[in-house]
Amino acid sequence: EAGVAQSPRYKIIEKRQSVAFWCNPISGHATLYWYQQILGQGPKLLIQFQNNGVVDDSQLPKDRFSAERLKGVDSTLKIQPAKLEDSAVYLCASSLAPLVQFFGPGTRLTVL
Amino acid sequence: GIQVEQSPPDLILQEGANSTLRCNFSDSVNNLQWFHQNPWGQLINLFYIPSGTKQNGRLSATTVATERYSLLYISSSQTTDSGVYFCAVELRGANNLFFGTGTRLTVIP
Repeated sequence: EAGVAQSPRYKIIEKRQSVAFWCNPISGHATLYWYQQILGQGPKLLIQFQNNGVVDDSQLPKDRFSAERLKGVDSTLKIQPAKLEDSAVYLCASSLAPLVQFFGPGTRLTVL
Repeated sequence: GIQVEQSPPDLILQEGANSTLRCNFSDSVNNLQWFHQNPWGQLINLFYIPSGTKQNGRLSATTVATERYSLLYISSSQTTDSGVYFCAVELRGANNLFFGTGTRLTVIP
């Protein structure tokens, strides 16, 4: 069984630029999560999808972050414009039920 | 909000030694999971353990939900056990995980 796929693995941008990350969950997993992990901390949930609907986006900085999950499969997370404090690893996870989450390898973002 | 605290924050072991990692949480939870994040950043699910005890090879975990803590035991540690161990909890009525502060384990040969 293929795991959660993410791309790119690394991204370096300058502040005020835009960036997008892509996630392909495990086949059949209805729930998809995006997390932000700042160096030295545990992952923090940004947004959770159930199929293509948003379940929880209370921690998503909506003035600059957006996410979508078209057709209930792949998802993209966008940051526009990026700030220095957005430097982090962005993790995508998916789950079937009840809540055993499987994580992708992450995208490491550096904002200069 | 819920507090999820792990101890110790850092642990250095000689290969072959045993260790116990602790996770304390401040509120009632539906679900608790233990993860290992390897040095390359990949998070691997170790246990889904809202209560009771589970074992998987050299690893075992116990959650005492009524007392709001969980323990992860690592026996006969190997260098490949190095990395950061996180516990994560799901609050009652919520539908997502809150991660703890992590324990960084280094196993030296």
